[in-house]
Amino acid sequence: AQSVTQPDIHITVSEGASLELRCNYSYGATPYLFWYVQSPGQGLQLLLKYFSGDTLVQGIKGFEAEFKRSQSSFNLRKPSVHWSDAAEYFCAVGFSGGYNKLIFGAGTRLAVHP
Amino acid sequence: DGGITQSPKYLFRKEGQNVTLSCEQNLNHDAMYWYRQDPGQGLRLIYYSQIVNDFQKGDIAEGYSVSREKKESFPLTVTSAQKNPTAFYLCASSSTFRRTSGNTIYFGEGSWLTVV
Repeated sequence: AQSVTQPDIHITVSEGASLELRCNYSYGATPYLFWYVQSPGQGLQLLLKYFSGDTLVQGIKGFEAEFKRSQSSFNLRKPSVHWSDAAEYFCAVGFSGGYNKLIFGAGTRLAVHP
Repeated sequence: DGGITQSPKYLFRKEGQNVTLSCEQNLNHDAMYWYRQDPGQGLRLIYYSQIVNDFQKGDIAEGYSVSREKKESFPLTVTSAQKNPTAFYLCASSSTFRRTSGNTIYFGEGSWLTVV
C-alpha cells in the first residue's frame, strides 16, 4: 500500500541555521510529490511540487526539495531558517489513480529559536 | 481574489445533531475534496468530487455526507453517526487531473468542529 513517512515529529533549529526535513514514500511508480506548510489553525499552503523533469525543485520562501528515486525520498531544505518559518510541514504524495489522490505524512513541527 | 472559502471557522455541535460545513471556490476548479485533520496525524480524505452531481467516498466517509449541486460549492454534513467528529476540517480543490502533468490541490483555511 502507498504510504508517506516523515520520520521527525518535532525539529528545533536556531534562526539562521540550515534545515532539512525528511520525507520517504512507498509507491511502485514515480509519484507526484508535494510539500505543504501549515501555520496553527490555518489551511495548507503549497511550498513546492515535483511532477517530472529536474529532480531539484525550487519553491516559495527560499525552500527547495530534491527527489531521489533510489531512496524514495523527497527531502525539504532551506539554507537559512527565519523565525517566521516556524510551522508544521507536510509531505504529500500524489498518485495517478484516476483522480487527484494525495497521501499525507503525519507532519513535522518546526520550532525556531532566536 | 481567487480562492477557497470555508465557513464557519469555528462550530460547536451538540450530541445527536447534524452540522454542515460550507466550502465555496472561485478558482473554476472541477474537483473538490474534504479532508479531516487530527492532532499528530496527517490529513485523511473524507469525500471527493470530480464533477458536478457526482462524488465518491474517501478513506473515512462513515458518518459524513456531501453534495455537489454547483461547481463552486461542496458542503460537508457531519451527521450524528460520526462518533468522534471533533477535528479540523479542510476543503480543497484542483483542476482536472492530467496523467502527464498532474496538478495541484489548493486548500481553504479550515473549519474547527467541536462536540459539546
